[in-house]
Amino acid sequence: DGGITQSPKYLFRKEGQNVTLSCEQNLNHDAMYWYRQDPGQGLRLIYYSQIVNDFQKGDIAEGYSVSREKKESFPLTVTSAQKNPTAFYLCASSSQGAFNTGELFFGEGSRLTVL
Amino acid sequence: QQPVQSPQAVILREGEDAVINCSSSKALYSVHWYRQKHGEAPVFLMILLKGGEQKGHEKISASFNEKKQQSSLYLTASQLSYSGTYFCGTQLLLNRDDKIIFGKGTRLHILP
Repeated sequence: DGGITQSPKYLFRKEGQNVTLSCEQNLNHDAMYWYRQDPGQGLRLIYYSQIVNDFQKGDIAEGYSVSREKKESFPLTVTSAQKNPTAFYLCASSSQGAFNTGELFFGEGSRLTVL
Repeated sequence: QQPVQSPQAVILREGEDAVINCSSSKALYSVHWYRQKHGEAPVFLMILLKGGEQKGHEKISASFNEKKQQSSLYLTASQLSYSGTYFCGTQLLLNRDDKIIFGKGTRLHILP
């Protein structure tokens, strides 16, 4: 079945450690996104990518990094520079590439807790 | 750039109707609507495009006022399964890229 897979589902890390969240899709979608969700804040865009080897910052990119070496994969690294990394992270993808108007397909999310 | 949703929360009895609003201060190309149940991924409901095109589920209705940069989601004869948090996402006309910015959400609770 086609879809988006995020891993791990739950992750605990010590303060100061970098963490990489995985996002893989087999929908053949061009565009991929990372959102952060905090209670009462909605979905805030971290990074998005419209095509392989290209990505753009969203509204809260500070302290995060991404790569898009393959169409299927868009991993997110939460660096030690992110001041408040504890959150629920959602990856999504969409078809049609540049200026698409396709629906977003979301993964199940990764809940990161920094101790 | 974040769109503003209203109301923040709604409590209804099964069978009642609700309207959720989404507004932007900038010109929009499209508005997306999603519903998220607690602990789950958001699920697509509808896309409304500048020019009047709509894509979405048959049982969901929505409007997009291009002049006012506002969209409304209409939930009629609500069912218990409609409970959840509704998010609108917007694409700006000026950007013409894939950036989709979401509002803070509207929590909907349906009572039996």
